[in-house]
Amino acid sequence: KAGVTQTPRYLIKTRGQQVTLSCSPISGHRSVSWYQQTPGQGLQFLFEYFSETQRNKGNFPGRFSGRQFSNSRSEMNVSTLELGDSALYLCASSPMTGPGELFFGEGSRLTVL
Amino acid sequence: AQRVTQPEKLLSVFKGAPVELKCNYSYSGSPELFWYVQYSRQRLQLLLRHISRESIKGFTADLNKGETSFHLKKPFAQEEDSAMYYCALGFAGGTSYGKLTFGQGTILTVHP
Repeated sequence: KAGVTQTPRYLIKTRGQQVTLSCSPISGHRSVSWYQQTPGQGLQFLFEYFSETQRNKGNFPGRFSGRQFSNSRSEMNVSTLELGDSALYLCASSPMTGPGELFFGEGSRLTVL
Repeated sequence: AQRVTQPEKLLSVFKGAPVELKCNYSYSGSPELFWYVQYSRQRLQLLLRHISRESIKGFTADLNKGETSFHLKKPFAQEEDSAMYYCALGFAGGTSYGKLTFGQGTILTVHP
């Protein structure tokens, strides 16, 4: 099976812009979660989707949003970018056989200038 | 609030030596504990979970609820074990499959 695929892998934006990141889960996985990884804060949970519904949300401002499509693919959006949003954004899918069994993508590296 | 602490940012051992990566957690509910590993230039991947009580690549981890710890151990470290290791806390009995609280990670280096 193909792994979790994230696009784009790298992107550079300026403050105030918005960005959309895409994630294709492993075939058959219906749960998709997003994480932000930074050197200072480490890995932080953003949100989780399954059945096209947001099931859980981390402690991030409303500028961070996401959605899931009927084929389980997911997107996350960050509006009004700030310098502190520079990070590696990781997507993970789950077969939903139990909590915590996640399969991660390689991430999208966002740099905000 | 849930929290995971990995007190060692860096850990160095020699090949063949025992290794223990420490993890402590705080959570008022019933915890699900995991170890994830990231080898150089590879994706973050699940190494093991406490509920399965299995040994993966020679690593074991025992959940100690009294000490709120979930230390990762291996009796004889190998050079290929060099990687970043993350301890993570999940939530049993809920509707979440993907929500984990991660520790800050420990970089393990095994010297020849």
